[in-house]
Amino acid sequence: GAGVSQSPRYKVAKRGQDVALRCDPISGHVSLFWYQQALGQGPEFLTYFQNEAQLDKSGLPSDRFFAERPEGSVSTLKIQRTQQEDSAVYLCASSLWASGGVSYNEQFFGPGTRLTVL
Amino acid sequence: AQSVTQPDIHITVSEGASLELRCNYSYGATPYLFWYVQSPGQGLQLLLKYFSGDTLVQGIKGFEAEFKRSQSSFNLRKPSVHWSDAAEYFCAVAHTGGFKTIFGAGTRLFVKA
Repeated sequence: GAGVSQSPRYKVAKRGQDVALRCDPISGHVSLFWYQQALGQGPEFLTYFQNEAQLDKSGLPSDRFFAERPEGSVSTLKIQRTQQEDSAVYLCASSLWASGGVSYNEQFFGPGTRLTVL
Repeated sequence: AQSVTQPDIHITVSEGASLELRCNYSYGATPYLFWYVQSPGQGLQLLLKYFSGDTLVQGIKGFEAEFKRSQSSFNLRKPSVHWSDAAEYFCAVAHTGGFKTIFGAGTRLFVKA
């Protein structure tokens, strides 16, 4: 597709349920990022993949959060035993990756999945 | 620790008036700096970025920003605001390579006729 897509766009879960959020990055983009955006806040980094390798998961708030990208393309963010504090918009972004040197690759963001935990 | 501060939670300007959104950052070295815009129901869109060189950078939609090292600031400006500019604006800082971007809390811009 032309941009990053995420599904579902909206998800309502009862407290304690497991949820899975999907991200389809731009074709050919090597890097993939997940962010959590609470109401009235800026996005906060959760985790980062380069191809299928998860290089940084320091932003995941607890061991209930798990992300994978098994084939280096589509990624899934899974939240187990959801809690009310997990309610937020979850943003996915992808970028090209350039090896070597100091370089920047613009991150392209998807529209997000709004998760509401009741 | 790196951080980004946007002092204004919301700003209201009249259509056609000038705009300045403030951003201050805390970072050990010269950072990569960005401004993003987020419209309701839309993803974040990059307005402009600063890596090095000329401290005044031009972006899309008529926006510009100036990097001032001495003030640790990267303020966003637009000479004449349009009603379609009403949105949430985020300042952000990143490591080398653009990995692990740190965002400010955002400034919501309201435009009145």
